[in-house]
Amino acid sequence: GAGVSQSPSNKVTEKGKDVELRCDPISGHTALYWYRQSLGQGLEFLIYFQGNSAPDKSGLPSDRFSAERTGGSVSTLTIQRTQQEDSAVYLCASSLGRGLYEQYFGPGTRLTVT
Amino acid sequence: DQQVKQNSPSLSVQEGRISILNCDYTNSMFDYFLWYKKYPAEGPTFLISISSIKDKNEDGRFTVFLNKSAKHLSLHIVPSQPGDSAVYFCAAGGNRDDKIIFGKGTRLHILP
Repeated sequence: GAGVSQSPSNKVTEKGKDVELRCDPISGHTALYWYRQSLGQGLEFLIYFQGNSAPDKSGLPSDRFSAERTGGSVSTLTIQRTQQEDSAVYLCASSLGRGLYEQYFGPGTRLTVT
Repeated sequence: DQQVKQNSPSLSVQEGRISILNCDYTNSMFDYFLWYKKYPAEGPTFLISISSIKDKNEDGRFTVFLNKSAKHLSLHIVPSQPGDSAVYFCAAGGNRDDKIIFGKGTRLHILP
């Protein structure tokens, strides 16, 4: 069956522009996670959705970052007024639930802010 | 403050021998731990997990050991195979909040 898909796969944008990253989770997965991986760093947790709600937004690096999930399925991560330090690979994962449930990751979106 | 630490950035192991990847954590509230494997230009793939109520979990060639008193876990791969060459991430989470904290990863090279 289809795995987690993310679009675009690569995005180059100018500093100050807004970008929107999309994640299509595996059908039926109620949990959805966003992470980012900067060069030489581990995965940094950004936000978790259970259904459409994200109880904890404290992982988002700044108020320029926002995320939503509609219909318990597709999620979008929006970065406003992008900065060069936002350059990273943004990874989405979905799972049947929190905790020990296996997370299935998408291939990621490589964002480059020039 | 790194709550999950993988202190070895890289590790080289002969094919057929045992690979041992280590992970330390600082937060005693973590309830579960996971290991992921990542190839270049791909998303991480899940390997194995362990609940804090257990001290060992085994799945084929992969075994994870948890030492809660030392706040340490390790992933054993035996025998190591060429396809095991990848970056391995240790991750931890708690049932009281939604965050999952990843380590920076260890790059494993399996030598022929």
